[in-house]
Amino acid sequence: NAGVTQTPKFQVLKTGQSMTLQCAQDMNHEYMSWYRQDPGMGLRLIHYSVGAGITDQGEVPNGYNVSRSTTEDFPLRLLSAAPSQTSVYFCASSSGPAPPAGVEQYFGPGTRLTVT
Amino acid sequence: DAKTTQPNSMESNEEEPVHLPCNHSTISGTDYIHWYRQLPSQGPEYVIHGLTSNVNNRMASLAIAEDRKSSTLILHRATLRDAAVYYCILRRGAQKLVFGQGTRLTINP
Repeated sequence: NAGVTQTPKFQVLKTGQSMTLQCAQDMNHEYMSWYRQDPGMGLRLIHYSVGAGITDQGEVPNGYNVSRSTTEDFPLRLLSAAPSQTSVYFCASSSGPAPPAGVEQYFGPGTRLTVT
Repeated sequence: DAKTTQPNSMESNEEEPVHLPCNHSTISGTDYIHWYRQLPSQGPEYVIHGLTSNVNNRMASLAIAEDRKSSTLILHRATLRDAAVYYCILRRGAQKLVFGQGTRLTINP
């Protein structure tokens, strides 16, 4: 299993540009989520999904859109990039939303995004 | 969300045990205690979790106080590869994982 994969690893955008961060998992996990991590800070939840076709907002959803058309993929779209969105983005998946099934979340390697 | 309090940083020596403390005085009866760690330039990695009893796995041990208001993650024999930020997280049911600042662990050779 490849686990959770993310592309690209690095990206530089100009203010106002849009892009999609890709996330895929091959563990047949129902629960997927996106976090951002700013320098020296913990992770903050952006959006999450409990299954294909179902998404919901996390702690910091503004400026981001998500969709979940398949179990495997959970892309994160930046609609109009701003310097405040400069961050490292992590995608995660788990077999369920709660213990005991969903006790362990698997994280991808991250995408480092810089908006100038 | 119930809060956790961890020291900002700790330091230990290679091949010695490390005890990472976490206070969670407002924990409720259904809160699970989770530990994750994040190695430099990587995504977080699950370490261990528990509810009431002490737990052991191949990575670490989790000691939970009898009143559950505190817990300790124990690395039995630290290696340089254990240098990371360790997060203690309380999670109730289907609540999302909430990551705080964590403890930055430095291992000296």
